[in-house]
Amino acid sequence: QKEVEQDPGPLSVPEGAIVSLNCTYSNSAFQYFMWYRQYSRKGPELLMYTYSSGNKEDGRFTAQVDKSSKYISLFIRDSQPSDSATYLCAMIRTDSWGKLQFGAGTQVVVTP
Amino acid sequence: GAGVSQTPSNKVTEKGKYVELRCDPISGHTALYWYRQSLGQGPEFLIYFQGTGAADDSGLPNDRFFAVRPEGSVSTLKIQRTERGDSAVYLCASSSQGGGTEAFFGQGTRLTVV
Repeated sequence: QKEVEQDPGPLSVPEGAIVSLNCTYSNSAFQYFMWYRQYSRKGPELLMYTYSSGNKEDGRFTAQVDKSSKYISLFIRDSQPSDSATYLCAMIRTDSWGKLQFGAGTQVVVTP
Repeated sequence: GAGVSQTPSNKVTEKGKYVELRCDPISGHTALYWYRQSLGQGPEFLIYFQGTGAADDSGLPNDRFFAVRPEGSVSTLKIQRTERGDSAVYLCASSSQGGGTEAFFGQGTRLTVV
């Protein structure tokens, strides 16, 4: 079993809908959490970085962390066709500083 | 430069050959990371530099893989005796602080071993 699990999708939503993405993890040593967006044939682009449990908002993006359930989420409001991409969760363990552990990525398609 | 730069963007090599992949981090970033991404998978950690030294090289798959960062800026990932299984996108990232929490990635080098 992988330490970080992420549904690969694809997830198809109509333009304007809320996109809901999530990852689960198995080891409580993971304490730092990131979301990346990756367009086809491009490098990952950092969207959000959180440490504590709770919500963090940045524009149309909201990241949630629930450490007690070992579950993180990313919500994209008012989705646009330009949001169509693969979204990767990533996390860092306190005993492996500097080593990002990625999920497999969820492919999102926003249809006009 | 404005972002992390990787060269070449594409590399095709024959099985058994030696290849070098270059990474120019964001100016002033002291931490540099190499990852490898296969189709349909998330990036997989290879090595993390803090300054000139490798802080963690636990992700290098075997002794055919080696990376250097002699002056604490540009880094080179070297692969000897390439195998078809080495085909992947090799990603480089850098951050202003160590730890990887706010790492910025380059576009990657697509390596194909034929």
